[in-house]
Amino acid sequence: DAKTTQPTSMDCAEGRAANLPCNHSTISGNEYVYWYRQIHSQGPQYIIHGLKNNETNEMASLIITEDRKSSTLILPHATLRDTAVYYCILQGGATNKLIFGTGTLLAVQP
Amino acid sequence: NAGVMQNPRHLVRRRGQEARLRCSPMKGHSHVYWYRQLPEEGLKFMVYLQKENIIDESGMPKERFSAEFPKEGPSILRIQQVVRGDSAAYFCASSPPGPSTDTQYFGPGTRLTVL
Repeated sequence: DAKTTQPTSMDCAEGRAANLPCNHSTISGNEYVYWYRQIHSQGPQYIIHGLKNNETNEMASLIITEDRKSSTLILPHATLRDTAVYYCILQGGATNKLIFGTGTLLAVQP
Repeated sequence: NAGVMQNPRHLVRRRGQEARLRCSPMKGHSHVYWYRQLPEEGLKFMVYLQKENIIDESGMPKERFSAEFPKEGPSILRIQQVVRGDSAAYFCASSPPGPSTDTQYFGPGTRLTVL
């Protein structure tokens, strides 16, 4: 079973910031928080990851709480092309396999 | 640097036939993973391979499914005697040699339809 919980769906207006939350209260010390997204049955696309510090790249920002029990993915200026299912996944520890939950369906509205 | 490549992109088989799905990892990547996504369901891990070795096959069905990643050439996921329930999207991912926290990069998938 996935060790993360995410809202099933969210809406966001085009051009606004999209903030996607993720809870991972049982995260282990050596597990990273990874975010992927899947646009309409395409292959999952890597977005960003972090261990304990906040991270930013050209796609998004990742905010991880100090206790590491939750995180937020921020898409600063959402576009229609950002409509996708977003997955928050813990990676590391004893296994390499990714365990996908149900993710959050982000619908960007015009 | 080309991404992960999978072929064919679409494959149609009749019940009882064999399906072979190929995955070429990104250049420099020696770890390959296969995931399956059944219609209207989430992605499920199947198998993790390194060159010539199966590292974790905990997600593979016990019968009819096999995977290999030879020293030369692509990784192959083989499904023998396909049934309608095998219809799904099969995604391959690769990562560089290194710790379990390395990023996995996914291919576009092979959509298998069993008639």
